[in-house]
Amino acid sequence: SQTIHQWPATLVQPVGSPLSLECTVEGTSNPNLYWYRQAAGRGLQLLFYSVGIGQISSEVPQNLSASRPQDRQFILSSKKLLLSDSGFYLCAWSYTRTGNSGNTIYFGEGSWLTVV
Amino acid sequence: GESVGLHLPTLSVQEGDNSIINCAYSNSASDYFIWYKQESGKGPQFIIDIRSNMDKRQGQRVTVLLNKTVKHLSLQIAATQPGDSAVYFCAEMVTGGFKTIFGAGTRLFVKA
Repeated sequence: SQTIHQWPATLVQPVGSPLSLECTVEGTSNPNLYWYRQAAGRGLQLLFYSVGIGQISSEVPQNLSASRPQDRQFILSSKKLLLSDSGFYLCAWSYTRTGNSGNTIYFGEGSWLTVV
Repeated sequence: GESVGLHLPTLSVQEGDNSIINCAYSNSASDYFIWYKQESGKGPQFIIDIRSNMDKRQGQRVTVLLNKTVKHLSLQIAATQPGDSAVYFCAEMVTGGFKTIFGAGTRLFVKA
């Protein structure tokens, strides 16, 4: 079965500090990978998606970046955090093949980031 | 585009009653729909899906109804339990695509 892990689960960082959130998927090959952000009590905002190693698409211009150094590893980074970067960050994956179930997105457990 | 910046509507039901959560989707080309459940502090979990060639699909205690004419999706939970308390999101996509549009979410409270 497929599993997705992301860490750290919680993070408190000062303004201007760097950020690195990591995510790995197990049990599948060449997945589509995603980073979402969810502000408290709000919906899901797609930040980045990747269809392959080194292939990153950005949905929202901001001071965050993403990288995919390996097939099943996705990293969310920032060089200098802003207060507005606080939120709940979710890594997710989907199959690249369509099949009969579309491309259902499966989420990790999330990482709470508080920028102080 | 993705749902951002909206306060969550809330549904409060008595334990044992049936719950109906509604969602209006935006893209008439969407042909695959999913309901997710998100408990506090956790990532959304897949509940049930439906393709556009169906009007209804049933799972364990959950039923999803799709009305393509009015672009409406609903999730029915039978005999609602306290463990059903969560935020529920609908999602839509076009088969073969990888951009999923999420609804704003509905918070379900189950009163014991």
